[in-house]
Amino acid sequence: AQKITQTQPGMFVQEKEAVTLDCTYDTSDPSYGLFWYKQPSSGEMIFLIYQGSYDQQNATEGRYSLNFQKARKSANLVISASQLGDSAMYFCAMREDHTGNQFYFGTGTSLTVIP
Amino acid sequence: EADIYQTPRYLVIGTGKKITLECSQTMGHDKMYWYQQDPGMELHLIHYSYGVNSTEKGDLSSESTVSRIRTEHFPLTLESARPSHTSQYLCASSELHEQFFGPGTRLTVL
Repeated sequence: AQKITQTQPGMFVQEKEAVTLDCTYDTSDPSYGLFWYKQPSSGEMIFLIYQGSYDQQNATEGRYSLNFQKARKSANLVISASQLGDSAMYFCAMREDHTGNQFYFGTGTSLTVIP
Repeated sequence: EADIYQTPRYLVIGTGKKITLECSQTMGHDKMYWYQQDPGMELHLIHYSYGVNSTEKGDLSSESTVSRIRTEHFPLTLESARPSHTSQYLCASSELHEQFFGPGTRLTVL
């Protein structure tokens, strides 16, 4: 079974609008971390936001917030006030704390911001 | 800002050549990783290390090898490059709740 599932291969959003990128995960480890990365066309991976499985509140970093629904095993990324520079691939990832500290990545979502 | 470096950034090489992709980090992280990624596709873990003298193979079968003699250095070696090795190679290091990536090496094998 896939550890991380991103069901949206491509998304479009109007500039200045908010957009939600979906991510669901599968784990039996009670302790884990969830991550979102941005990868522009230059190829570098940029860390955006982190959510721990025991964190009570949703993580926020500037215009990025993580909508963490533990019972549903979802960790959607919300980008508010989209900018043209947000156009990129976005990857959701998970690290299981008790099974070797490997990171598992989803297949990514390509976001295009329309002027 | 993460301090993790990869060289070379771009490499074009002929089939059968031996190559080493360099990765170094100055953050003192114990855990380091190598991923292979085709353009616009998901990342595949090929090797990881939990510390000096500790290396493990990842999920993706690979003809590459790694070494971890020093904490800051985690080179990846292809003994005999093939066109199927053409890809981007990303090095990363992590500590606690963060994983930082290097800029990547784009490898083309002719």
